[in-house]
Amino acid sequence: NAGVTQTPKFRVLKTGQSMTLLCAQDMNHEYMYWYRQDPGMGLRLIHYSVGEGTTAKGEVPDGYNVSRLKKQNFLLGLESAAPSQTSVYFCASSPWTGDYEQFFGPGTRLTVL
Amino acid sequence: DAKTTQPPSMDCAEGRAANLPCNHSTISGNEYVYWYRQIHSQGPQYIIHGLKNNETNEMASLIITEDRKSSTLILPHATLRDTAVYYCIVTPGGSYIPTFGRGTSLIVHP
Repeated sequence: NAGVTQTPKFRVLKTGQSMTLLCAQDMNHEYMYWYRQDPGMGLRLIHYSVGEGTTAKGEVPDGYNVSRLKKQNFLLGLESAAPSQTSVYFCASSPWTGDYEQFFGPGTRLTVL
Repeated sequence: DAKTTQPPSMDCAEGRAANLPCNHSTISGNEYVYWYRQIHSQGPQYIIHGLKNNETNEMASLIITEDRKSSTLILPHATLRDTAVYYCIVTPGGSYIPTFGRGTSLIVHP
């Protein structure tokens, strides 16, 4: 049972390049989330999904797109990376019930030059 | 959505109890109080949660006031490895989408 995994762990992009971050969970969780964390800040929700085939915007969705084609995977895309997207990205998952806990991945450290 | 207020930083001596407060004065009846912690550069880790009653597990105790407007996370015997940022979160009613603030940075010193 790997829990929540994220790929890649580190990435450096040039401004304007695109990339996709992959989050995978093997706990059969309905909910999945993408957060970003900037230095000295808490986690800010980018997008989330309440089930396969569904996505919704969080607090800071601009510049990102997501897809949840399979229940176990949640992809975060940057179509045209900007230096302001330099951050650490965390994925999380949780069961659908209200009395739940979130399980977080180890994070992806992204630098946009 | 109920918001939370936490002190930005605290410190504690190793071996002593660490008591981390959280104010959530606008909490509604069906909202849970959750605590997570984040050790440097790692993903946040669940600690404990509760609705009305006090809760205890192998990591910590959670004390929720009777009016539910505040809570305290207690680490009974803090160790250096408990140095982390601690987040108090109240789950939004009905949508289960938690919002993380800046949390409390706890430093445990020898």
